[in-house]
Amino acid sequence: GESVGLHLPTLSVQEGDNSIINCAYSNSASDYFIWYKQESGKGPQFIIDIRSNMDKRQGQRVTVLLNKTVKHLSLQIAATQPGDSAVYFCAENIEEDTGRRALTFGSGTRLQVQP
Amino acid sequence: NAGVMQNPRHLVRRRGQEARLRCSPMKGHSHVYWYRQLPEEGLKFMVYLQKENIIDESGMPKERFSAEFPKEGPSILRIQQVVRGDSAAYFCASSPTRGNGYTFGSGTRLTVV
Repeated sequence: GESVGLHLPTLSVQEGDNSIINCAYSNSASDYFIWYKQESGKGPQFIIDIRSNMDKRQGQRVTVLLNKTVKHLSLQIAATQPGDSAVYFCAENIEEDTGRRALTFGSGTRLQVQP
Repeated sequence: NAGVMQNPRHLVRRRGQEARLRCSPMKGHSHVYWYRQLPEEGLKFMVYLQKENIIDESGMPKERFSAEFPKEGPSILRIQQVVRGDSAAYFCASSPTRGNGYTFGSGTRLTVV
């Protein structure tokens, strides 16, 4: 199940189950969203992205859903594997008159896959 | 094609010393971004640079911190007179176009003792 403690919220799932990681964003003008995976001691690694003119995009074992009405983004991982254990971050940015802004990151969710 | 290279991987400094963190972007990338990450937290934007120009430094502390991306050589994040609160992981990313296609380096872990 999902729990929120003093630090990163943690989602624990059994190997083979599907995982759903959620993210709420604050800027309704954001038009580009990315999910990153970060393993311990490493930099963030791109997983999948989606633009605001779409509400769903699928990759290999991953699906991103975007609900602009409630400013919510989710990452679904099918058949979760031990190698999926990591911290997952959503990120967003926006195109402004001066150009596209740098990415703003969410606070992250730790995914723990139980064998 | 090497990825984004950051060095050193680990850096220990005593309070009051200077820390210099280096980032070599991917080949063909002229946009560089620096982020700071505290343990158990997300990445916080610090500064965005293009060659020889600071484009957005809205996340950079006003004092002690500076960044550059010279015409030749890596981007440098410089922290003067470090304090314990500067201890964090500092990540650099580069992109071929502004705000898109980020690739992150492995980070520099700064410890201030």
